[in-house]
Amino acid sequence: GAVVSQHPSRVICKSGTSVKIECRSLDFQATTMFWYRQFPKQSLMLMATSNEGSKATYEQGVEKDKFLINHASLTLSTLTVTSAHPEDSSFYICSAGTGGNTIYFGEGSWLTVV
Amino acid sequence: GENVEQHPSTLSVQEGDSAVIKCTYSDSASNYFPWYKQELGKGPQLIIDIRSNVGEKKDQRIAVTLNKTAKHFSLHITETQPEDSAVYFCAAGFNQAGTALIFGKGTTLSVSS
Repeated sequence: GAVVSQHPSRVICKSGTSVKIECRSLDFQATTMFWYRQFPKQSLMLMATSNEGSKATYEQGVEKDKFLINHASLTLSTLTVTSAHPEDSSFYICSAGTGGNTIYFGEGSWLTVV
Repeated sequence: GENVEQHPSTLSVQEGDSAVIKCTYSDSASNYFPWYKQELGKGPQLIIDIRSNVGEKKDQRIAVTLNKTAKHFSLHITETQPEDSAVYFCAAGFNQAGTALIFGKGTTLSVSS
């Protein structure tokens, strides 16, 4: 099946710094990718929809200036957590849909802010 | 917007038994219902999906049923094995590229041998 790759799988950063997470669709083009956040033992919370060549659409309550999303090509979307704080520590997961909207997820990125 | 309810939150079965997880959705316009399996520390893996023009779909030990009138769909796992232990999420959305899925809260399935 389709593959979505996410990098890095784990990252530790200092409070106040920024960290970038990449999401790539490996064998299909994805005009739209989705970014989710997941806290331990909880479900996936949609953060934003990333649209190739245009601005991302953020869900209510998600700070767009803090979670910068760039979708510069049909196979790559990036999420940058700016001025990270310990409360931003979480599991971030991206997903991408094929033409029929079958959605595949990346392996996720664990972010720890110390 | 869409709201998805999932039950039970935890499910424990003996190896070889069947497991059933149920979900309801609120938006009658939703027409795509996938199920994902998530193992600890990993991203969700699509295991089966169903679209609203189909009432049932089966793939080996896994089956999904959909009742559009009642707006609920279920995952059935037969002959469960310890490796089936994971968190399972149902989701609802549209069969249209570029639209996000809304997820249930997940069911932690434990299969004991």
